[in-house]
Amino acid sequence: RKEVEQDPGPFNVPEGATVAFNCTYSNSASQSFFWYRQDCRKEPKLLMSVYSSGNEDGRFTAQLNRASQYISLLIRDSKLSDSATYLCVVNVADRGSTLGRLYFGRGTQLTVWP
Amino acid sequence: EAGVAQSPRYKIIEKRQSVAFWCNPISGHATLYWYQQILGQGPKLLIQFQNNGVVDDSQLPKDRFSAERLKGVDSTLKIQPAKLEDSAVYLCASSIGLMFREKLFFGSGTQLSVL
Repeated sequence: RKEVEQDPGPFNVPEGATVAFNCTYSNSASQSFFWYRQDCRKEPKLLMSVYSSGNEDGRFTAQLNRASQYISLLIRDSKLSDSATYLCVVNVADRGSTLGRLYFGRGTQLTVWP
Repeated sequence: EAGVAQSPRYKIIEKRQSVAFWCNPISGHATLYWYQQILGQGPKLLIQFQNNGVVDDSQLPKDRFSAERLKGVDSTLKIQPAKLEDSAVYLCASSIGLMFREKLFFGSGTQLSVL
């Protein structure tokens, strides 16, 4: 079983729409969570960290549900520039150690059309 | 601030040949990572360095892949001999340190095609 599972999409939405992505993780020892954004043929870039209480950054809201082991990303008022692949990332720490390994999902592709 | 530098940008080789990739992380970043991203998949960690020491190479196919970071700064990743399934983008990343919630800075990657 993969550490991180994501629906690959693609999601095709009009400008101004609200879109949500979910991802699930398999390891209950997962310690920290992130969403990265990857534009076509570019490198991944950190979009936002995901905190237990949920967090918001402008039009983007991230939620974490530890009991169900899933993470979500909500994008409100979609812009053309939001078109990209969104990667769900989970940091799994070794027991008793601060070392961790990041596991990336395969990404969810979003296309926002005019 | 200069980002993570990688070279070459593209490489095409035949199977069984050797190839090497180079990475220079952001100045002052102690932790350096090599990831492999196959088309349609997320990046997969190959090896992680803290300064010049290896902290995680459990997913590195050691029969053909090797990596070093001798002076704790730049790093090279080598594949010898290459296989068709090694076709991927090889991403180098760096971070300030190993602690949780570290922000990874990725280079532009090297796209490898093995024919």
